[in-house]
Amino acid sequence: DIVMTQSPDSLAVSLGERATINCKSSQSVLYSPNNHNYLAWYQQKPGQPPKLLIYWASTRESGVPDRFSGSGSGTDFTLTISSLQAEDVAVYYCQQYDSVPPTFGPGTKVHIK
Amino acid sequence: EVRLVESGGGLVQPGGSLRLSCAASGFTFISYWMSWVRQAPGKGLEWVASINQDGSEMHYVDSVEGRFTISRDNAENSLYLQMSNLRSDDTAVYYCARVMRLRSYYFDLWGQGTLVTVSS
Repeated sequence: DIVMTQSPDSLAVSLGERATINCKSSQSVLYSPNNHNYLAWYQQKPGQPPKLLIYWASTRESGVPDRFSGSGSGTDFTLTISSLQAEDVAVYYCQQYDSVPPTFGPGTKVHIK
Repeated sequence: EVRLVESGGGLVQPGGSLRLSCAASGFTFISYWMSWVRQAPGKGLEWVASINQDGSEMHYVDSVEGRFTISRDNAENSLYLQMSNLRSDDTAVYYCARVMRLRSYYFDLWGQGTLVTVSS
């Protein structure tokens, strides 16, 4: 199974400032034939189910604000919130969908400084 | 409105059984793979099982293989998870999720979840 790790575990950011979350996979999730990274990001607010934010490592899901962006390739990925808003307080998970079983990172909790 | 609504959770004793249901609406259910994903209290997300569009192909995480069965009724736009021989470590919120099936799965629509508590 592919093991996903995230850093940091928790992140305190001032309103309007940048938040950066890192995700690492134990093996590459880049599929060479189509040059796609099989990596998704989810946001889970307190008491709510997860919500898909990004897939293909950098493609925003419809309706997701453009302050959220994803980058990276191979085994190292980043989710960036360019200007943190109060409604962005949540736990963020990365997930690989390169192989079965799909596996999630342990989550990064983002809160307001 | 595109929606998934789970039901059937509750308190069950170790070794017991429970059947979860998920009602889908607002999209063409038969066109999608579907999955169950769970989250233990205060913990992260764990994929449990997936089923293809006509119910002929199922995949399970190793820890539930042989104990859980995923199924669907396309006429009723419903997804099910039959759980048996339940253990304390099966305690979790169980989410029904719509799947984007590629080399593996990611999940573009989630229900609100139903809580399963396994305890004596």
